[in-house]
Amino acid sequence: EPEVTQTPSHQVTQMGQEVILRCVPISNHLYFYWYRQILGQKVEFLVSFYNNEISEKSEIFDDQFSVERPDGSNFTLKIRSTKLEDSAMYFCASNGLGYNEQFFGPGTRLTVL
Amino acid sequence: DQQVKQNSPSLSVQEGRISILNCDYTNSMFDYFLWYKKYPAEGPTFLISISSIKDKNEDGRFTVFLNKSAKHLSLHIVPSQPGDSAVYFCAATASSNTGKLIFGQGTTLQVKP
Repeated sequence: EPEVTQTPSHQVTQMGQEVILRCVPISNHLYFYWYRQILGQKVEFLVSFYNNEISEKSEIFDDQFSVERPDGSNFTLKIRSTKLEDSAMYFCASNGLGYNEQFFGPGTRLTVL
Repeated sequence: DQQVKQNSPSLSVQEGRISILNCDYTNSMFDYFLWYKKYPAEGPTFLISISSIKDKNEDGRFTVFLNKSAKHLSLHIVPSQPGDSAVYFCAATASSNTGKLIFGQGTTLQVKP
């Protein structure tokens, strides 16, 4: 069964450093998303991406964040200068045309020290 | 801005009995609702969904009920099994938006053998 994959599973970084979180969505899906979950809180929407551009972004998704689909398979989230409060689980999700059900990856745990 | 609320942080039921998880929403634009199940250190797994044109959707042991006038939905699991123990998230989306899901805070279900 196709699945969304994410790498790395755990990333530890120093405050102020850049990180890139990687995702491989399900191959025939067209819509891509990033969400995050701070420990003990709800899953929060960050950004949606379709047709090689951002469709919508939340207030959390400020200028420090960017997304890219550099090739036909990868979907990346970059945080340019990490802050302590960026520590969270980051989930990538995707869905196909005409479907509302999004399929999530296993997540990347980002720890900013 | 809690557009989707799950007011019960936890629920404990006996194996074989019914589990009922509840969710309320405030945004009238929401027209599609989903339930996700999440184990620790894993991504949310899609469970079942319902469109606002329906009031019930059933899939095996799982049934979702939607009461639009009350802006309330519930997930019934019958019979409950120990393997159902997880965090359950209610999520909502509107066709008019970019597909972003708005999640509730989650309910931790424990099914005791």
